[in-house]
Amino acid sequence: AQSVTQLGSHVSVSEGALVLLRCNYSSSVPPYLFWYVQYPNQGLQLLLKYTTGATLVKGINGFEAEFKKSETSFHLTKPSAHMSDAAEYFCAVGGWASGGSYIPTFGRGTSLIVHP
Amino acid sequence: EAQVTQNPRYLITVTGKKLTVTCSQNMNHEYMSWYRQDPGLGLRQIYYSMNVEVTDKGDVPEGYKVSRKEKRNFPLILESPSPNQTSLYFCASRENPGQGPYEQYFGPGTRLTVT
Repeated sequence: AQSVTQLGSHVSVSEGALVLLRCNYSSSVPPYLFWYVQYPNQGLQLLLKYTTGATLVKGINGFEAEFKKSETSFHLTKPSAHMSDAAEYFCAVGGWASGGSYIPTFGRGTSLIVHP
Repeated sequence: EAQVTQNPRYLITVTGKKLTVTCSQNMNHEYMSWYRQDPGLGLRQIYYSMNVEVTDKGDVPEGYKVSRKEKRNFPLILESPSPNQTSLYFCASRENPGQGPYEQYFGPGTRLTVT
């Protein structure tokens, strides 16, 4: 079985400060990992994804995430927060149930609050 | 424009009154799924479909039905809604049902309130 844990349901930063959103996963097979962002009153959209190869993944809006297999982590960072980054962020792992069905698992989400 | 659409966006109904939430995608995706989003619980998969006429249960299927008669449409049916189905619902589609790092594309959501 696979699972995703996002540490902290809310993260608060000042504008211009470093953003760090934590995600740890468990998976019995090499995972595909995703970060999605949900702006108010909108659906989720992809920020970035890890497949294979380079462990540092760059996404949209200046975000990046590093896959660390030894730590089973995929933390999301951004050097300098902007007010427009305020949103809900979801970490997800793509996984396969027995029989070949695709069942992704999402974390519970982290709400990023950016103060002026 | 590639997109997933859902209707209605907002719905208030009463217990026991059957309802359908429609979902349509224009990307020719084979895989489609329904999620519900509840505070503190994140997204939980209700049902998914690997292709036309192929559907299967997700994590929380009780009280829901789906059908996949056409590739582009994947309606969610609540035969007898109850207050515990009050939630925010998302439809999503994915490029390929097979293994691969394909992300999902989400609709804008349907906020359902059952009184």
